[in-house]
Amino acid sequence: DAGVTQSPTHLIKTRGQHVTLRCSPISGHKSVSWYQQVLGQGPQFIFQYYEKEERGRGNFPDRFSARQFPNYSSELNVNALLLGDSALYLCASSLIGRNTEAFFGQGTRLTVV
Amino acid sequence: GNSVTQMEGPVTLSEEAFLTINCTYTATGYPSLFWYVQYPGEGLQLLLKATKADDKGSNKGFEATYRKETTSFHLEKGSVQVSDSAVYYCALKEVVDSNYQLIWGAGTKLIIKP
Repeated sequence: DAGVTQSPTHLIKTRGQHVTLRCSPISGHKSVSWYQQVLGQGPQFIFQYYEKEERGRGNFPDRFSARQFPNYSSELNVNALLLGDSALYLCASSLIGRNTEAFFGQGTRLTVV
Repeated sequence: GNSVTQMEGPVTLSEEAFLTINCTYTATGYPSLFWYVQYPGEGLQLLLKATKADDKGSNKGFEATYRKETTSFHLEKGSVQVSDSAVYYCALKEVVDSNYQLIWGAGTKLIIKP
């Protein structure tokens, strides 16, 4: 079975540009969450989507947005990139519920120059 | 609000040593607790979990017990190997605004020397 897949794996962008990151969840998982992991730190929650609706948002500026499609895949968009947006962006999918584990993709390494 | 505090790393041990990584939490309700591991160059993966007080999660020789009275979920292993070198994250999952959300600790880097 395919796990959570993210694309691209790496990319380099210039300050001020826009970026779109993509995530395909495990089949049957309707919840997708996005995290930012800056080098040396733990994951920081950005968004959660369930059944195509935003269910949670972390403390990130409005430059960050996301959406979930009918097939439960998801996109994370970041506008007006800043140097500080350089990080590993992780996508996780899960079944909904308190006890369910999150399955993570390998992440997209974004470098802003 | 909810939070997770882990012991700072890096933690450096010799092979076959006993490991403890401390994790304490604050939560308003009754969270589930998780340990995730991130090996070098890889993504996060679940190591073990516990969903209620006094539950013990275990996997690959690692154990952690959900202690409600001390709000702790310390990770232990009796004899570590070089292959255990990784970053370990403690996390809790609780309802926040009708949404199940994972709250993460900062991570503890473990280095095992042969």
